[in-house]
Amino acid sequence: ILNVEQSPQSLHVQEGDSTNFTCSFPSSNFYALHWYRWETAKSPEALFVMTLNGDEKKKGRISATLNTKEGYSYLYIKGSQPEDSATYLCASHPKDSNYQLIWGAGTKLIIKP
Amino acid sequence: EAGVAQSPRYKIIEKRQSVAFWCNPISGHATLYWYQQILGQGPKLLIQFQNNGVVDDSQLPKDRFSAERLKGVDSTLKIQPAKLEDSAVYLCASSLSPSGSDEQYFGPGTRLTVT
Repeated sequence: ILNVEQSPQSLHVQEGDSTNFTCSFPSSNFYALHWYRWETAKSPEALFVMTLNGDEKKKGRISATLNTKEGYSYLYIKGSQPEDSATYLCASHPKDSNYQLIWGAGTKLIIKP
Repeated sequence: EAGVAQSPRYKIIEKRQSVAFWCNPISGHATLYWYQQILGQGPKLLIQFQNNGVVDDSQLPKDRFSAERLKGVDSTLKIQPAKLEDSAVYLCASSLSPSGSDEQYFGPGTRLTVT
């Protein structure tokens, strides 16, 4: 069984501070890495889908990097705002997973005003 | 574009009762997923459809769970009879294709409480 690990489990950050968290995934047979944001009472929303080693993607104040050789991805949030409070999920899609994403348990981010 | 629709949003039932969830994916999305998300865990894929055919149902407890996607559009997920451990959020998602590089679009989920 392939595992995707996310750390930390939860994180409290002061408004205006920057933060980052980690997603670790099996590096063998890697195909794609997904990041999703899930706000309370809303639908999970895709942030990034990354496939290439060294890839870096950005959406506003949020960015992500990918290292497929060592099997990790970082998600960065610059200048945290209250609306960034959410659970951030990552999921890995190995080449031989028969179409299934392998999900991490998420990092719950709470922004303190 | 309209998002993925799910109903109901919340459901409370007693153990051994039955429950059904409905999902309407984004128009044109061939792939539909049902996930079970228990608090503190990542989403667990229950079943994946490609049009109206099942691609993967290896983690679906088939003695009590069933799902169908008639005509390759809407889908229903049923639990009969429910157990206490079925309490979870049930998420429906869709994507253009089953490719790992296609993002999935999620509905708001159904929070099921079994008492």
